[in-house]
Amino acid sequence: EAGVTQFPSHSVIEKGQTVTLRCDPISGHDNLYWYRRVMGKEIKFLLHFVKESKQDESGMPNNRFLAERTGGTYSTLKVQPAELEDSGVYFCASSRGTHEQFFGPGTRLTVL
Amino acid sequence: DAKTTQPTSMDCAEGRAANLPCNHSTISGNEYVYWYRQIHSQGPQYIIHGLKNNETNEMASLIITEDRKSSTLILPHATLRDTAVYYCIVRVAGSPQGGKLIFGQGTELSVKP
Repeated sequence: EAGVTQFPSHSVIEKGQTVTLRCDPISGHDNLYWYRRVMGKEIKFLLHFVKESKQDESGMPNNRFLAERTGGTYSTLKVQPAELEDSGVYFCASSRGTHEQFFGPGTRLTVL
Repeated sequence: DAKTTQPTSMDCAEGRAANLPCNHSTISGNEYVYWYRQIHSQGPQYIIHGLKNNETNEMASLIITEDRKSSTLILPHATLRDTAVYYCIVRVAGSPQGGKLIFGQGTELSVKP
């Protein structure tokens, strides 16, 4: 069984540009989560999809972040426009049930 | 904010048991205790979870005190590959707002040869 995959693994962009991160969950997992760790801080929850619906988006920092999960399969997280403080590692996780979440390797985003 | 307290760091000799403590004195009756770990540069990895009974799987054992205010994760025979940051998380499972994991700073475990 393939694990959670994320693309790209690294992204370096200029401040003000747009970046789109992609997450492919484990097949059959209805729950999909986005988290991020910014420099020196703890891993923070961003949002939770159940299939294509946003179940909890309480962690989204501001309206520069847009997450979608069309068709309930893969998800994208767009940052537009990117700011310096958005630099960090963005993790995606998926789960079938309510307990174990499987994490991807993360996307390292650097905003210059 | 995280609802757990863990030591910042611990050392363990290779081959010995690693016992990682966690305090969660404000845990509610419907909250589970979860343990995840993050090996350098990888995504967090689920280890084990429990509600009130002790639990064991192929990776570790989880001992929860009777009053549920603290727990201990036990890695029975630590190896160098167990060097990681270990996170203790309390969470309600199965509720609409219960999906998210709230990570604290965790315990940085160093397994030494």
